[in-house]
Parts: sequence; C-alpha cells; structure tokens
Amino acid sequence: DIVMTQSPDSLAVSLGERATINCKSNHSLLYNSNKKSYLGWYQHKPGQPPKVLINWASTRESGVPDRFSGSGSGTDFTLTISSLQAEDVAVYYCQQYYNAPYTFGQGTKLEIK
Amino acid sequence: EVQLVESGGGLVQPGGSLRLSCAASGFTFSNYWIHWVRQAPGKGLVWVSRIKDDGSITDYADSVKGRFTISRDSAKNTLYLQMNSLSVEDTAVYFCATGTFMLDSWGHGTLVTVSS
Repeated sequence: DIVMTQSPDSLAVSLGERATINCKSNHSLLYNSNKKSYLGWYQHKPGQPPKVLINWASTRESGVPDRFSGSGSGTDFTLTISSLQAEDVAVYYCQQYYNAPYTFGQGTKLEIK
Repeated sequence: EVQLVESGGGLVQPGGSLRLSCAASGFTFSNYWIHWVRQAPGKGLVWVSRIKDDGSITDYADSVKGRFTISRDSAKNTLYLQMNSLSVEDTAVYFCATGTFMLDSWGHGTLVTVSS
C-alpha cells in the first residue's frame, strides 16, 4: 500500500501569513502516460464533509479561493495558503488516488496563532 | 444536486455485524465508483473500500479485508457496507463518497460504535 506522510501534524499561523503543508508518498504518484500526479488535497471542518481543494497535485477545484495552491510531482507535494484567513482553520489531508487503497495522509491541523 | 445519505450505524458488540447503507440521488449512480471512508473519534480520515460503477471491481483497506463487503444496488441507487467481526478499532463515523477521481461529494456520515 502507498503510505502518505504529512508534515507538520499541526500548524499555527498568524492571520494574513503563509501556511505550508507538506505531503510525501513512499511511491511515485506520477503516471508517465499523462504526466499527471494522482494526488489531491482536502479541507475538513468539524461537522462538515471534507471538501476538495486541489486535484492532480496543482489544479484548484472550481470555487476554491486562489490563496490555496498545490505544487509538487512524483513523491513530494505541498499545499500553500498564501494569506491565512480565519475561515481556513481546519484539518487538511492529502490523498493519493494512484491506486487502491486510496490512502490519506494523517492530517494537518491548522490554527490561528 | 448530489446527495448521499448514510444510515445503519449504531451500537454493536465486539464480534458483531452491521450493514450500512448509502442512498444516492442527484446524479447517475450507475456511472460512478463509490467509496466508504471512516473517521475514528479524534482521528483522521481513513479510506475503507470502493466499488466500480458496474459493481464488477471492489477494493478494500487491509484493515477491513475479509471482514467487510461493499456492494451496490443500481435499481435502488444504494450502496452498502456489510461489516462482520467488528472490533473496537472499527468505531468511527462512516462516510460514503463519490467523484470522478477525487471524492468531491460526501454524505454526512453514520456513527458506528463497537463496545461491550
């Protein structure tokens, strides 16, 4: 099974500052046939279902604010929030959909400093 | 609007069984893979299982393989998860979810508590 490891486990950032979350896979998530990395990011707030922010490692989902961006390829990925807003407090997960089981990272809890 | 509504959760003793259901509406059910994801209290999301649009392929997390069975009924637009030999480690909120690749539509979950 592909193991996804996020860092850090928790993060406190001041409003307006940058937040960076990392995700590492123990297997490349890059399909050579289409040059796409099968990796996405979710935002999960209490009492709500998870919301897709980013797919294909760097494609922002429709309606997601442009302060959210994803980068990386292969085995190393990053989710960046360029200017933290109060409503961004949540747990963030990466997930690989390269093959089953579609493993998640352990989550990163993002808080306001 | 896509809707997924889970049901069937509850309290069950260790070693017991439970069947979860997920009623789908607002999309062509038979065109999509459907997944189960769970979240234990205070823990992260864990992918559990998936079933192909036509039901011909199923996959499971190692932690549930041999104990859980996913199935679907396209006539009823309903997904199922038969859970046998339950242990306290299976205590979680169980979500059904779907999407083309990532899971962009989720239910609100049903709580399964395994306890004596």
